[in-house]
Amino acid sequence: DAKTTQPTSMDCAEGRAANLPCNHSTISGNEYVYWYRQIHSQGPQYIIHGLKNNETNEMASLIITEDRKSSTLILPHATLRDTAVYYCTSKTSYDKVIFGPGTSLSVIP
Amino acid sequence: DAMVIQNPRYQVTQFGKPVTLSCSQTLNHNVMYWYQQKSSQAPKLLFHYYDKDFNNEADTPDNFQSRRPNTSFCFLDIRSPGLGDAAMYLCATSYGQGWYEQYFGPGTRLTVT
Repeated sequence: DAKTTQPTSMDCAEGRAANLPCNHSTISGNEYVYWYRQIHSQGPQYIIHGLKNNETNEMASLIITEDRKSSTLILPHATLRDTAVYYCTSKTSYDKVIFGPGTSLSVIP
Repeated sequence: DAMVIQNPRYQVTQFGKPVTLSCSQTLNHNVMYWYQQKSSQAPKLLFHYYDKDFNNEADTPDNFQSRRPNTSFCFLDIRSPGLGDAAMYLCATSYGQGWYEQYFGPGTRLTVT
């Protein structure tokens, strides 16, 4: 199971893009990269996932490097409601999900 | 709406007194997970079920047990809670193996007195 590392905290101005990096240098070929966020006192919420290709959905974009050792979650226009802890995780095809330490994102007015 | 439900949201138990936390889901997902989350830490996987197949993490204490009587319900039993077991306990589900995302419940906050 890959071990992920993330910055402890980041700030982002409201309306600007938030770019959250994650290192997963030990990820294996069949492990997906997932991103979740957790708003205070709530359960984590799924954002996006990917294996090799870049992905985009209504919430965010995920950029995975070609060697798959790192990825970046992009929130294109951060709002105050995006203030949360963002977790980069890996998941094997056998269901096991290990959470990294998370980045506390503060969106500033 | 289909969802993951955890009861109770807040639970207080005494040191050494067994406690059971419950999770139910209306998603009909095959996989159910239990996580422990202590203050300012990431969720830590305790165990998970794929259907009836139980998968325990190597570092999950024996004090923690789980039951899944059917697809919809999963229980976390703490046989003799210690002060260090005070935490948020999160239940999650996933459709199955592969790339499926997890759906989390709101969590149960356990206090041990």
